[in-house]
Amino acid sequence: NAGVTQTPKFQVLKTGQSMTLQCAQDMNHEYMSWYRQDPGMGLRLIHYSVGAGITDQGEVPNGYNVSRSTTEDFPLRLLSAAPSQTSVYFCASSFGQGEAFFGQGTRLTVV
Amino acid sequence: GEDVEQSLFLSVREGDSSVINCTYTDSSSTYLYWYKQEPGAGLQLLTYIFSNMDMKQDQRLTVLLNKKDKHLSLRIADTQTGDSAIYFCAVTGGYQKVTFGTGTKLQVIP
Repeated sequence: NAGVTQTPKFQVLKTGQSMTLQCAQDMNHEYMSWYRQDPGMGLRLIHYSVGAGITDQGEVPNGYNVSRSTTEDFPLRLLSAAPSQTSVYFCASSFGQGEAFFGQGTRLTVV
Repeated sequence: GEDVEQSLFLSVREGDSSVINCTYTDSSSTYLYWYKQEPGAGLQLLTYIFSNMDMKQDQRLTVLLNKKDKHLSLRIADTQTGDSAIYFCAVTGGYQKVTFGTGTKLQVIP
């Protein structure tokens, strides 16, 4: 039982490049979400999904896209990377309002 | 939307008690959580409390909830150097939406 798996762990992008952060969970959780963590700002919700085929915006969605074609996977796409998107990204999943399980994070640097 | 506030930093001596505080705005929050984040890692659930409880104790951890003041606290007894981490308060608001606080960095001085 792997829990929540995020890839890659580290990434450096040039301004304007696009990329996809991968997130997969094997717990059959219906709820998945993406957060970014910046110093002194806690975790801010980017996008979330309450089930396959259903996604919605969080607090800071601009510059990011998501899709949820299966229960297991919830990729986050950066359309055109900007230095302001330098951050640590966490994917999480949960069943209902229960405990959220987090991936190990992706440290992204945009130069 | 929900607003969750925490102080950013707390420093305590090894063996003392630590108290980390959190305030929130949504009085309808049903689940309130404390997560711990160690350096370079994701968050892990430490403990939680339901909104119909005032207190929950789990070994060295005590969670207190004051619903009237919308105040949540985490007390760690006999704080150890291994407790050094960032502690996040999190509350549930609308359907399955969880709002996290800014995190409190706990530094334990030997």
